[in-house]
Order: sequence, then structure tokens, then C-alpha cells
Amino acid sequence: KAGVTQTPRYLIKTRGQQVTLSCSPISGHRSVSWYQQTPGQGLQFLFEYFSETQRNKGNFPGRFSGRQFSNSRSEMNVSTLELGDSALYLCASSSLPSGDTEAFFGQGTRLTVV
Amino acid sequence: DQQVKQNSPSLSVQEGRISILNCDYTNSMFDYFLWYKKYPAEGPTFLISISSIKDKNEDGRFTVFLNKSAKHLSLHIVPSQPGDSAVYFCAASDLDDKIIFGKGTRLHILP
Repeated sequence: KAGVTQTPRYLIKTRGQQVTLSCSPISGHRSVSWYQQTPGQGLQFLFEYFSETQRNKGNFPGRFSGRQFSNSRSEMNVSTLELGDSALYLCASSSLPSGDTEAFFGQGTRLTVV
Repeated sequence: DQQVKQNSPSLSVQEGRISILNCDYTNSMFDYFLWYKKYPAEGPTFLISISSIKDKNEDGRFTVFLNKSAKHLSLHIVPSQPGDSAVYFCAASDLDDKIIFGKGTRLHILP
């Protein structure tokens, strides 16, 4: 069974640009969550999608958005990039909404904003 | 406002001894707790979990203890092995299934 796949693995963008990250969950998983990991803040929850609907949202500005497609693949978009958006973005999938179900993480996309 | 706190950024333990990683939380509505392990350049992997209706869950060398009155949980690893060197994240889930992670504790297993 293939794991969670995130693309691209590495990305360098300039301030003010926008970026789209992709996450393909484990086959059969309908829940996809996104997290931002930075050295100072650890893993911070961005949002969760289940069956194409956003179920939960963390405390991030509106520049961070996402969506989920009918095949459960998810994309995360960050507009008007800031230097502070440089981080590792992790996607996790689970068969059910992630609250009390083991989540499987991808390797992440390392975004660097210059 | 940090709802899940791992107050020790790092911990060093001798191989073969017990590793105890601690986690405190502030939200009494959390009903499920999880521990994840993360190696460099990899995503976190699930380790063990515990429901708020239990006070202990054991899986091989890993045991998680939950003290609801103190809003505290701990992960015990016995015996500690070199492959246990990693960053450990404590996470909690609220009634809306939102998962909040702590900042992590880096565990070093010393030979």
C-alpha cells in the first residue's frame, strides 16, 4: 500500500508569490490534514478535509487555503508569501476524521521563501 | 496559547534505561491523546495512543500514562534503544477532532 505522497519535496519561492502544495493520501483514506512545522513552533494544525469538506481550521491567516478533490487528493495554497512562511508543510491522511484515528504522514514539502 | 506543552526540548538517556517523555495539556475537553515519533527528513509516525477514559496503554516497550486530574501524560520507553533517538510529539484531540501537537522533545539515546 503506497504511503502519503507530497509534492514537491522542496520549493523555493520569492516573497509575494503564491504556492500550491499537493498531497495524495493513502488509498481509501478520506481525511487529509495539513500541518506547518517550524523549529520554534513545532507542528501547527492548518486545516482538515474530509470527503471534500473542510472540517476544521487552525489559527492561520486567510492567505492559507486548501481544498480536497473527489479522489481525496488535497492541495494547499499560500498566497502573498512571507518570509515567515518558510517551513516544512506536512500532510497526514486517515481513514476517518483524524481525531481518534491514527494518521499517516507524508515526508513533507520544505518551502523556503526568499 | 499553547494547549499541549512539552516542556523539555531535549532528553538524553542511557541505552537500556527507561526514557520518560512528559506532556501537559490545558484543555479538559481533549478526549484522545497520541504520541508520534519523527526522524529527520521523514514525516511523523504514529507510536501509541490513549483514550481519556483510560489511564494506561501499553504496546511492547512503549507505555503511555494519563493523569486526567493533573492534565498530564507521559510516554515510557523501556528499555531504550539507539533507534529510539528521534523527536517525540505529544498530540491531543478535542471533541471536534482537531489535533493539537506539542512542540516536541528530542530524545538522545546514549551508548
